[in-house]
Amino acid sequence: AQSVSQHNHHVILSEAASLELGCNYSYGGTVNLFWYVQYPGQHLQLLLKYFSGDPLVKGIKGFEAEFIKSKFSFNLRKPSVQWSDTAEYFCAVNVYNAGNMLTFGGGTRLMVKP
Amino acid sequence: DVKVTQSSRYLVKRTGEKVFLECVQDMDHENMFWYRQDPGLGLRLIYFSYDVKMKEKGDIPEGYSVSREKKERFSLILESASTNQTSMYLCASSFRLVGNEQFFGPGTRLTVL
Repeated sequence: AQSVSQHNHHVILSEAASLELGCNYSYGGTVNLFWYVQYPGQHLQLLLKYFSGDPLVKGIKGFEAEFIKSKFSFNLRKPSVQWSDTAEYFCAVNVYNAGNMLTFGGGTRLMVKP
Repeated sequence: DVKVTQSSRYLVKRTGEKVFLECVQDMDHENMFWYRQDPGLGLRLIYFSYDVKMKEKGDIPEGYSVSREKKERFSLILESASTNQTSMYLCASSFRLVGNEQFFGPGTRLTVL
């Protein structure tokens, strides 16, 4: 079975710092990749997704992620974080021939200090 | 906007009780999912359904069952609640298309005493 690893469980940054959250997955075939975000007290919502094409994907709120197939990675980045980015971030992988099931990473809690 | 609603935000039950968690989506999605969310473990799939009356086990189905009698509604049942089922339960839905985005409900925080 495929697995998804998020190596940073907790990240604390000051406002305006740059962010990179790591995500690695174990499956070698065709995958669709997602980053979801859960703001305090809110629903889990989609930040961005990669299906095919340009491996650099841009999402909402200035986030982007880069798919590097050779490294089985899909890291999330933001050049300058804001206090409102404080949230928990989840990477998820959909294996192409496994229907619509997602496998999620363990999540990374980001705290941005004002 | 897609809306996924869950019957309760917070629920407290006693060990051995039968627990029903209900989820309703309003976008005519074929797929519906139940996850549990635990700190450090992310979201783990309990069951999913790709059509009315159809269900498939996810990664952690033990101790749970599901019911999907109508397309818009997907219920999670804990036949005999145990303390290790204390968790946040999330429902999601999506179109059947492979790789399609899942839309999540607000979650039900269940505490089993």
